[in-house]
Amino acid sequence: AQSVTQLDSQVPVFEEAPVELRCNYSSSVSVYLFWYVQYPNQGLQLLLKYLSGSTLVKGINGFEAEFNKSQTSFHLRKPSVHISDTAEYFCAVSGKTGAAGNKLTFGGGTRVLVKP
Amino acid sequence: GAGVSQSPRYKVAKRGQDVALRCDPISGHVSLFWYQQALGQGPEFLTYFQNEAQLDKSGLPSDRFFAERPEGSVSTLKIQRTQQEDSAVYLCASSPRGTGNEKLFFGSGTQLSVL
Repeated sequence: AQSVTQLDSQVPVFEEAPVELRCNYSSSVSVYLFWYVQYPNQGLQLLLKYLSGSTLVKGINGFEAEFNKSQTSFHLRKPSVHISDTAEYFCAVSGKTGAAGNKLTFGGGTRVLVKP
Repeated sequence: GAGVSQSPRYKVAKRGQDVALRCDPISGHVSLFWYQQALGQGPEFLTYFQNEAQLDKSGLPSDRFFAERPEGSVSTLKIQRTQQEDSAVYLCASSPRGTGNEKLFFGSGTQLSVL
């Protein structure tokens, strides 16, 4: 079984400031890790994913995340946010194979509000 | 269409009514998924199809929930005898390959309100 905890339900941040969204997971099997973003009235879009290799993953729109196996974390960062980054962000995990590989387990989401 | 399309966008049902929610995946996508997103929570897995085969329905909350994809493209999620706890946004996603840990393309969802 897998679970994902997003430690902050809401993060207010000023435009051009950095932001970090925290994500911790637990799993009995090896996992792939994802961050999805949901803009108002839109479907979820993939920001980035970690499958293997370098633990620093770069995604779209200037976001990056770092996989830390020892701390079972996958925190998302952006050095300078824009108003358009206002959205809800979801961390998710899946198994690598079998039934666990065919479903995503999502965290509860972090709502980012970028203020001018 | 260019993306995953879901209809209706909003559905209001009286408790006890049956509802059917439709998902049109991206053409040619092998895998199709249904997720349920309650207010203020992350999406939760309901079921997964690979072409027309329903390979995993472990997330369906009760036998009132039924999903099908008879020709391997359009899918319908049916909820019988709706109850208030069924109120949620139902998300459909598709992916080009046969696994769920690839990039998923999500629709905008159907918001179901059961009164």
